[in-house]
Amino acid sequence: GIQVEQSPPDLILQEGANSTLRCNFSDSVNNLQWFHQNPWGQLINLFYIPSGTKQNGRLSATTVATERYSLLYISSSQTTDSGVYFCAVELGYGQNFVFGPGTRLSVLP
Amino acid sequence: DAEITQSPRHKITETGRQVTLACHQTWNHNNMFWYRQDLGHGLRLIHYSYGVHDTNKGEVSDGYSVSRSNTEDLPLTLESAASSQTSVYFCASSEAGSGTDTQYFGPGTRLTVL
Repeated sequence: GIQVEQSPPDLILQEGANSTLRCNFSDSVNNLQWFHQNPWGQLINLFYIPSGTKQNGRLSATTVATERYSLLYISSSQTTDSGVYFCAVELGYGQNFVFGPGTRLSVLP
Repeated sequence: DAEITQSPRHKITETGRQVTLACHQTWNHNNMFWYRQDLGHGLRLIHYSYGVHDTNKGEVSDGYSVSRSNTEDLPLTLESAASSQTSVYFCASSEAGSGTDTQYFGPGTRLTVL
């Protein structure tokens, strides 16, 4: 089956710093999403981005489908950005969704 | 506002008992999903449904079943609970054919099997 890897596994930042999280996947995908799981466990969809670049406030994401990776950029990080960031991929409509293991981000005040 | 809810939020049960976790969404989404989240494994797909009376097995479906009798609900049943099924369970939904397939998650149910 498809393999999804995320790096780094853990990241500690000072408030105000920028960061880049990476998601690599081993096969062509129909769907790629980034999620944030806050410290209380709630999962929030950040981006649906099977290809191209999208921005939402301080967050942006880029997926290069031909090279099988996606990047999530967090600028001017805030303590509320802390939590785990997951990417999830779908091979095709009707296929399983596969989540990566996540990147745990801690933003210190 | 549209939402997706799960109940109960916490459940403790004994090995061998049947347990049903509820998921209800008011988004009117066709697609619904059940995941489990365990330390060291991230989220894994248990079952999913693309519409009423449609159900499909995911990566870790053994010991679980679902049924979809209406658009709003996708209950997850553990036929005979096992300690290995202690986990946090998330339900999600998405709109079919929207072009975004964004998944919206419920708050989760923490299940402990003793």
